[in-house]
Amino acid sequence: KNEVEQSPQNLTAQEGEFITINCSYSVGISALHWLQQHPGGGIVSLFMLSSGKKKHGRLIATINIQEKHSSLHITASHPRDSAVYICALRQGAQKLVFGQGTRLTINP
Amino acid sequence: SAVISQKPSRDICQRGTSLTIQCQVDSQVTMMFWYRQQPGQSLTLIATANQGSEATYESGFVIDKFPISRPNLTFSTLTVSNMSPEDSSIYLCSADLAGAGAFFGQGTRLTVV
Repeated sequence: KNEVEQSPQNLTAQEGEFITINCSYSVGISALHWLQQHPGGGIVSLFMLSSGKKKHGRLIATINIQEKHSSLHITASHPRDSAVYICALRQGAQKLVFGQGTRLTINP
Repeated sequence: SAVISQKPSRDICQRGTSLTIQCQVDSQVTMMFWYRQQPGQSLTLIATANQGSEATYESGFVIDKFPISRPNLTFSTLTVSNMSPEDSSIYLCSADLAGAGAFFGQGTRLTVV
């Protein structure tokens, strides 16, 4: 079993829809990162969470440490949100462990 | 936050040649990381580069194939040596800022022909 599992692997939605991407993990962590990767390959760090909830614009990230689960939500989705979203775990000062990513496509 | 400038953004190389990828961070960072992302796959850590010491390589990656330099706290290079088509991937550098999380370069899309 992978240490981090993302779902769904692929998601297609219409512009304006509310999007949820899930990340479950099986190990203790010091922080969880949500990353966005566009087709060119560059990665942008969206959130770093160790507890609770964070919001930035239309993006919301939550984490439940007891349940070992995190979600990334996008409100009022837009075609420019189309990207691969990656959940990554950090254990202490160790390297990041990456999920397989969720490919999101928002159609106009 | 931090900005990491990575270059080149893409290259097409002949097999048997080498390519050096550069990453410049706009802040001083202790550790920098080099990742490979093969088509359709997630990121795989190649090595961790600390200033003033040899890089630490992950299982399956060796210094002769992926030599790394870390001359100061803001700069690192990764060389992909004696390339073959199997080396065609996206290569990314990354750095951590305490309390601010992980930051990534723009990636280098390498195609070996």
